[in-house]
Amino acid sequence: RKEVEQDPGPFNVPEGATVAFNCTYSNSASQSFFWYRQDCRKEPKLLMSVYSSGNEDGRFTAQLNRASQYISLLIRDSKLSDSATYLCVVNHSGGSYIPTFGRGTSLIVHP
Amino acid sequence: ETGVTQTPRHLVMGMTNKKSLKCEQHLGHNAMYWYKQSAKKPLELMFVYSLEERVENNSVPSRFSPECPNSSHLFLHLHTLQPEDSALYLCASSQGFSDRDIPDTQYFGPGTRLTVL
Repeated sequence: RKEVEQDPGPFNVPEGATVAFNCTYSNSASQSFFWYRQDCRKEPKLLMSVYSSGNEDGRFTAQLNRASQYISLLIRDSKLSDSATYLCVVNHSGGSYIPTFGRGTSLIVHP
Repeated sequence: ETGVTQTPRHLVMGMTNKKSLKCEQHLGHNAMYWYKQSAKKPLELMFVYSLEERVENNSVPSRFSPECPNSSHLFLHLHTLQPEDSALYLCASSQGFSDRDIPDTQYFGPGTRLTVL
C-alpha cells in the first residue's frame, strides 16, 4: 500500500460547483499534514495546513480524520483559476520528520 | 517570488556529461531539500539538509551528489546520468527541521527541467 494515496482524477467541474478531494495515509504516526497546489509546469505552493480541528480559508476547507487516516479538501464556488493539481503532503515521525507527497489530484474547472 | 531560486531552469545533457544544479534560498531557513518530479509520479524526496548536515538520503543513486556549503545554498552534482533521470528537479527550504521538531511549510523553487540524452 502506498504511503499517501490520492485519486489522480481529473475532476471536471463547472464554475460555481463544490468539489472535495480525499487523501489517505498509511502511517499512523504521521504528525502534520498539508495541501499544496501545483499549476502546470510550476512548482508546488502551500495552499493550507491541516489541523486536527480542521481549518477554513475563504472557499477552502481542510479536515483531518486521524481515526480513518485521511485528510480532505473542500473547495466551494469553484473558479476557473482553481484548475490545478492538488498535492497532499504527510509528514511522518520516527527519528526525523520526512515529508511524503501524494501523486496529486487534478482539478479542471470549466465555464 | 518564493524566495527560492534555482539555476539553470532548463538543462540538456549527455550521459557522459557532468553538470551541477544550484539552489539558493533568501528566506533565512535552516533546512533545504532536493526533490525529483517525473511525469505521472509523486514528488520523490531525494535529500534533506538541516543546518548544512545531510539528514536524509532517500536511496538515491550515487550519480547524484548533493552539496550544502551553507544554509542558503544547495547544489546537486550530476554525472553519468541515464535517460530515465530526465525530470523536473525541485529545491525547497523550510524554517527548521530536526528529529524533535515538526517541519513547517516548505517553499519551493521553480525547478530545473533536466533532459538526459
